[in-house]
Amino acid sequence: DTGVSQDPRHKITKRGQNVTFRCDPISEHNRLYWYRQTLGQGPEFLTYFQNEAQLEKSRLLSDRFSAERPKGSFSTLEIQRTEQGDSAMYLCAGEGAGETQYFGPGTRLLVL
Amino acid sequence: GDSVTQMEGPVTLSEEAFLTINCTYTATGYPSLFWYVQYPGEGLQLLLKATKADDKGSNKGFEATYRKETTSFHLEKGSVQVSDSAVYFCALSATHRTGANSKLTFGKGITLSVRP
Repeated sequence: DTGVSQDPRHKITKRGQNVTFRCDPISEHNRLYWYRQTLGQGPEFLTYFQNEAQLEKSRLLSDRFSAERPKGSFSTLEIQRTEQGDSAMYLCAGEGAGETQYFGPGTRLLVL
Repeated sequence: GDSVTQMEGPVTLSEEAFLTINCTYTATGYPSLFWYVQYPGEGLQLLLKATKADDKGSNKGFEATYRKETTSFHLEKGSVQVSDSAVYFCALSATHRTGANSKLTFGKGITLSVRP
């Protein structure tokens, strides 16, 4: 158990709907990362927070995606107007002083 | 840009066999290198890491040596067990040691199945 939780674990939605995922790292994780993993591929970086500041976004993060980390604790990732190509596993990772990323179990999204 | 290439899988071995999973990388500067493992039904876990050339990371009987001259970080284990069945990912962080964003670049992963 890495101490990082994600909710929900599974989400099925219809194309065009909005979805929001939540990640809760442990309190020592001042850095938080979001990744996306599709079948047969390794995780790909989406975005990164240092405390509450979003410091980097990947080209993969289209304008339909938005992420927040209010108060530097939990984080949310929202996808607006979902498309079938958004179907993937969304992973969150927290990182503290030890510079090791601890991953949550992921949220599996299926867009019908 | 940065990239990680892993050997094609899946790999099936008998218990107590020797394991090698190849990993090579392309990166600017001197990245830190990692092996992550994903057991069935679980999240990604760090298996081992190495932060500079010639460093050897080790954990749970697995080892990998950071080879700058061949840009490789191959994973080895002398005697695999059924419980080692999992998906293994090689990854790098190009800015890990600078204290900046430590985003990881992953390979595609390889599935290891160990037969009793």
